[in-house]
Amino acid sequence: DQQVKQNSPSLSVQEGRISILNCDYTNSMFDYFLWYKKYPAEGPTFLISISSIKDKNEDGRFTVFLNKSAKHLSLHIVPSQPGDSAVYFCAASARWFGNEKLTFGTGTRLTIIP
Amino acid sequence: GAGVSQSPRYKVAKRGQDVALRCDPISGHVSLFWYQQALGQGPEFLTYFQNEAQLDKSGLPSDRFFAERPEGSVSTLKIQRTQQEDSAVYLCASSFEGSGPQHFGDGTRLSIL
Repeated sequence: DQQVKQNSPSLSVQEGRISILNCDYTNSMFDYFLWYKKYPAEGPTFLISISSIKDKNEDGRFTVFLNKSAKHLSLHIVPSQPGDSAVYFCAASARWFGNEKLTFGTGTRLTIIP
Repeated sequence: GAGVSQSPRYKVAKRGQDVALRCDPISGHVSLFWYQQALGQGPEFLTYFQNEAQLDKSGLPSDRFFAERPEGSVSTLKIQRTQQEDSAVYLCASSFEGSGPQHFGDGTRLSIL
């Protein structure tokens, strides 16, 4: 039973354009959501997070949107750069993420075309 | 070091052998997590420590898997009588309790022949 779903295994975007990565979840107990970026042979690196009391969080080129009623979140990257090419994982936890296990999606491979 | 350190980076073992994977978390991080990542999948939770106490081991797939963190710092994940389905990347993460995201190491890629 996949509680966090990333339905697009891959995405290709032209450099300079907007990249939009999507994530859906089924567990209503999830209250915090995170995006991680992963390069080959490296561990996931934290990008940005959002609490369920917000619907948007922005950090530089990265913005995460949360639609709690639809159980859907998305990550926007503007403008996309070649260094953004990586696998992006959506993750969720039931409370503040300091000491709560994360449930991950299966990832979306983003390729930025120069 | 500044980040989470895992060793070895790669481990090849024959089916039936025991293996031990080490995680050195970020200094001062109270919480430590182990995850298993199969090929093409996202990381899946195995177990969680707060200091030396193992507070959640609900994700350990069988009693062949055992984790410890005796002094509240370095942690070891041990797999006994390894099987082919144990082949995966094992990721360790640490966090400062109550705040901040989990920071991951680069993982140990385990291959069981």
